[in-house]
Amino acid sequence: DGGITQSPKYLFRKEGQNVTLSCEQNLNHDAMYWYRQDPGQGLRLIYYSQIVNDFQKGDIAEGYSVSREKKESFPLTVTSAQKNPTAFYLCASSDKGAQGWGSGYTFGSGTRLTVV
Amino acid sequence: SQKIEQNSEALNIQEGKTATLTCNYTNYSPAYLQWYRQDPGRGPVFLLLIRENEKEKRKERLKVTFDTTLKQSLFHITASQPADSATYLCALGDYGQNFVFGPGTRLSVLP
Repeated sequence: DGGITQSPKYLFRKEGQNVTLSCEQNLNHDAMYWYRQDPGQGLRLIYYSQIVNDFQKGDIAEGYSVSREKKESFPLTVTSAQKNPTAFYLCASSDKGAQGWGSGYTFGSGTRLTVV
Repeated sequence: SQKIEQNSEALNIQEGKTATLTCNYTNYSPAYLQWYRQDPGRGPVFLLLIRENEKEKRKERLKVTFDTTLKQSLFHITASQPADSATYLCALGDYGQNFVFGPGTRLSVLP
């Protein structure tokens, strides 16, 4: 079945440590996105990519980095510069770029990151 | 800046009734509006998309309206069931722009 796989489901980060969240899709979608979700807030866009080897900052990119070396993969690194990284992270993809046409965005199951 | 509000943080209704969720927006003229369902600890699942030139769209027990004058979308679930209990998110987008998500409304359908 086609879909998006995020791993790990739970991740614990120590202070000052970088961690990388994995996102893989087999939907042949061009566009991929990373969102952060905090209680009581909407999904906030961290980074997005509409094509391989190209990506743009979203609304809250500070303290995060991404790469898009393959169409299927869009990993997110949470760096030590991100002061409040505890959150639920969601990866998504769409097949019509930023417009997210009729089939909407397809989301992964998320990674819950906790700072310990 | 753009602002999206969803009527309330939580909504409780009795099984069999129609649930109506509201999505209001300001400082924005979206061309598209989407609704998603999100269960606890899971990613959102796409339900419906409606375009600015469409007044209403239906899918099984779901109905969405889009009033660009009022800057509001209504999301209805008819004959609601306990299995409809979830958080529902609206998302607004424009041509060539990414979608912006609202905070969501947590719906509980009581048996």
